[in-house]
Amino acid sequence: EIVLTQSPGTLSLSPGERATLSCRASQSVSSDWLAWYQQKPGQAPRLLIYGASSRATGIPDRFSGSGSVTDFTLTISRLEPEDFAVYYCQQYGSSPVTFGQGTRLEIK
Amino acid sequence: QLQLQESGPGLVKPSETLSLTCSVSGGSISSTKNYWGWIRQPPGKGLEWIGSIYYNGRTDYNPSLQSRLTISLDTSKNQLSLKLSSVTAADTALYNCASGTYYYASGFADAFDIWGQGTMVAVSS
Repeated sequence: EIVLTQSPGTLSLSPGERATLSCRASQSVSSDWLAWYQQKPGQAPRLLIYGASSRATGIPDRFSGSGSVTDFTLTISRLEPEDFAVYYCQQYGSSPVTFGQGTRLEIK
Repeated sequence: QLQLQESGPGLVKPSETLSLTCSVSGGSISSTKNYWGWIRQPPGKGLEWIGSIYYNGRTDYNPSLQSRLTISLDTSKNQLSLKLSSVTAADTALYNCASGTYYYASGFADAFDIWGQGTMVAVSS
């Protein structure tokens, strides 16, 4: 099983700042099949990034994904008030599918 | 546009079987273009993949749940179902169904891009 470790656990930033979230895998993620989800309280997760760097439909271009093999990054270039939420990475290249433990992005 | 809606009992007794359904609208559960999954989230915790099922009924289960788990398709009702036996308090969670694109030619299943709102299940006597 591929274990995904996200860092930091909590990130405190202000609107307009740049956010960098990390996801590290315990072994290679097959074909970089790594996704990022955003989850707000009381809502289902929303797919942001798939294939490590492809934005899902309707996702603003301030969200970008990068990385490969075992180290992946989600970057939010300029934080908007609606971006404060919990973010999860997920690998789906090998079974079992696994999720990271999440990074909480909070307003400073 | 594909939409998913979970349903089931909000409370299940320990040692009993948890049964949930996910109703699919806006598309066919038999389509080779989609696959389906269940994900759960204990209160205040992270996401756990439960398992996935494909158009032909093939399943892929989380090994940690495999011995207690059955996921199936009901094509007549356009629904997928989840059955988890011998539940304990550790199975208390919000249960979501989700869908992703399935690439039939390669057999590749992409990330989950459509999610239901989820249904909360508590295990308690």
